Amino acid sequence: DAKTTQPTSMDCAEGRAANLPCNHSTISGNEYVYWYRQIHSQGPQYIIHGLKNNETNEMASLIITEDRKSSTLILPHATLRDTAVYYCIVRPRSNDYKLSFGAGTTVTVRA
Amino acid sequence: NAGVMQNPRHLVRRRGQEARLRCSPMKGHSHVYWYRQLPEEGLKFMVYLQKENIIDESGMPKERFSAEFPKEGPSILRIQQVVRGDSAAYFCASSPSRTSGYYNEQFFGPGTRLTVL
Repeated sequence: DAKTTQPTSMDCAEGRAANLPCNHSTISGNEYVYWYRQIHSQGPQYIIHGLKNNETNEMASLIITEDRKSSTLILPHATLRDTAVYYCIVRPRSNDYKLSFGAGTTVTVRA
Repeated sequence: NAGVMQNPRHLVRRRGQEARLRCSPMKGHSHVYWYRQLPEEGLKFMVYLQKENIIDESGMPKERFSAEFPKEGPSILRIQQVVRGDSAAYFCASSPSRTSGYYNEQFFGPGTRLTVL
């Protein structure tokens, strides 16, 4: 029951912005968009989340389209340490603790 | 503030043996979640525990797997009579509370990589 669709992989040049797309065309009004990443051999790390407004924190920015059917995670200045698998997850606003990770996007940052 | 601790980081067992995986949540966290990641797959939810209570074990295999989170000490994920298909990375996450209407961030540990020979 894939709720999100992400590209399998993408490359990014070090120092450049990395734009990671995610489609969630069946998202409902009470569902948030969350992004996690998993660096090789580590546990997942929370990045950012949003409902309908764009969000920014120290790690990334999240742009959600007006119809909320897709979103883009932006890493403003990618570094080699940003190489990881990035997961886009939709979750209801109510307490749904079962994070459901799909295949994600494998992002490789190259020098 | 130490993060979520898991040990061992790597565990090798022969078929039929028992595997015990430990998870110490972050300080002040009373909610623990276990996830399993099979090779080349995403993480799958297994079980959610609070101190001394199993809240949701819907993702746990019906046999051989059990989990506990005692009043004192770490949470334990126990796999009896391991088989090769149990080889995976097992991740623990913790959160401080579950307040109605709000999502409480789950902080993940580094995982235990179980290899069954």
